[in-house]
This record gives sequence, structure tokens and C-alpha cells, in this order.
Amino acid sequence: DARVTQTPRHKVTEMGQEVTMRCQPILGHNTVFWYRQTMMQGLELLAYFRNRAPLDDSGMPKDRFSAEMPDATLATLKIQPSEPRDSAVYFCASGLVPTGERTQYFGPGTRLTVL
Amino acid sequence: AQSVTQLDSQVPVFEEAPVELRCNYSSSVSVYLFWYVQYPNQGLQLLLKYLSGSTLVESINGFEAEFNKSQTSFHLRKPSVHISDTAEYFCAVSWDTGRRALTFGSGTRLQVQP
Repeated sequence: DARVTQTPRHKVTEMGQEVTMRCQPILGHNTVFWYRQTMMQGLELLAYFRNRAPLDDSGMPKDRFSAEMPDATLATLKIQPSEPRDSAVYFCASGLVPTGERTQYFGPGTRLTVL
Repeated sequence: AQSVTQLDSQVPVFEEAPVELRCNYSSSVSVYLFWYVQYPNQGLQLLLKYLSGSTLVESINGFEAEFNKSQTSFHLRKPSVHISDTAEYFCAVSWDTGRRALTFGSGTRLQVQP
């Protein structure tokens, strides 16, 4: 049963600390997305990659957020320094392009709390 | 700007009653349409999708949605809900442009009461 995995599932940290979230896409998928979910903003796209290359990171605060794909099996999202307003659930999703499909499969999320 | 609207933030319904969750989107090009379900403290699970072909699509657990191009809608329906259907439901759209990301609606909380 192929799934997207994310670690950690929960993270509590203090303001100013660095946070790293990891995602393992479904094997064979070549597109990875990062979304953030908050009560106020709902689900919003932060960034996405295809074949490990960043295609769109317009939703990401550039001064503190960075996203990378060191290899095809790992995507990372870093926040440095973290702020209380970054508290949210961060989802990773993967998909396969190019095909007629646009389906994205989501991981369980990382719940981040910044104190 | 392209947008997805879910007009109902909450829908309370009694068990075994029918339900419709509404979704409308802005459109100037072709679209791919999705419904995802989120149970408490879990990720998003794909419920059903419309890519092309028949405008009526069904899920394995009794939900269905109909793509209506003229109304730019993709409403989700179930003829008889169960307590276990209590969850948040998100409509999502990918427009037929080079951009592959999904744009989500704000979600509808379905509350099934006994």
C-alpha cells in the first residue's frame, strides 16, 4: 500500500528555533507539493517540485522558509527562524506527471506548534 | 484570479438522511476536479475525482459528484449518510494550465447526528 510519509508527526518548538520537516513521496512519483493548513487561511500551497526541481514557491515566505529535494525519495521543508504565526499543519503530497492524472496523494501531515 | 468556493462551512444532518455539499469554481479553461475528505487529526484522503468522460463520478463508499460545466459546479452528494461520514470535506480544482497545484475550497464540516 503506497503512501506518502511525513516526519515528525508533531513538533513543538520555541520561537527562533529551526524546524525541519521531511516527506517521502510515493515511490515513482516525480512531483512533490507542500501545503499548509490553518484555521484562518485554510489549505494553501507553499511550493512544489517536479523531478526534484522547484517549479513554484510563490506561496512560501522566502526570508525564513526553504524547500529542497535532496533526492527523489526525500523532500524537506525548513523554517529558520520559526515564529508563532508558523503554527499550522504542514502537508506533503505527491503525484505523477506527465500523465492525464492530476491526482495528488497526501501524507498525514506535521502539526507544528511554535511557542 | 482562479478560486474555489464552498458556500457551506458546516452541514448538520441526521443519520440516513441525504446530503449535498456544494462546490463552485471560477473557470476560463478546462478543469480537473477533486473531493478530499479529512477525518480529525488525519491527512487528506482522495474521495473522488473528475478528469474527463462521464460527468457523474462515484466513490466506493456511496458518494457521488457531478461535473456541471455550465454552472461551474462539482457538488458532492450521498443519498444516505452514516455517523462515520462525519468529517471535513474539501473541494479542489486544478486548472488546465502548466501549473499542477490544487486550489482548495475552505472546506465543509459534515456533522452526522444519530
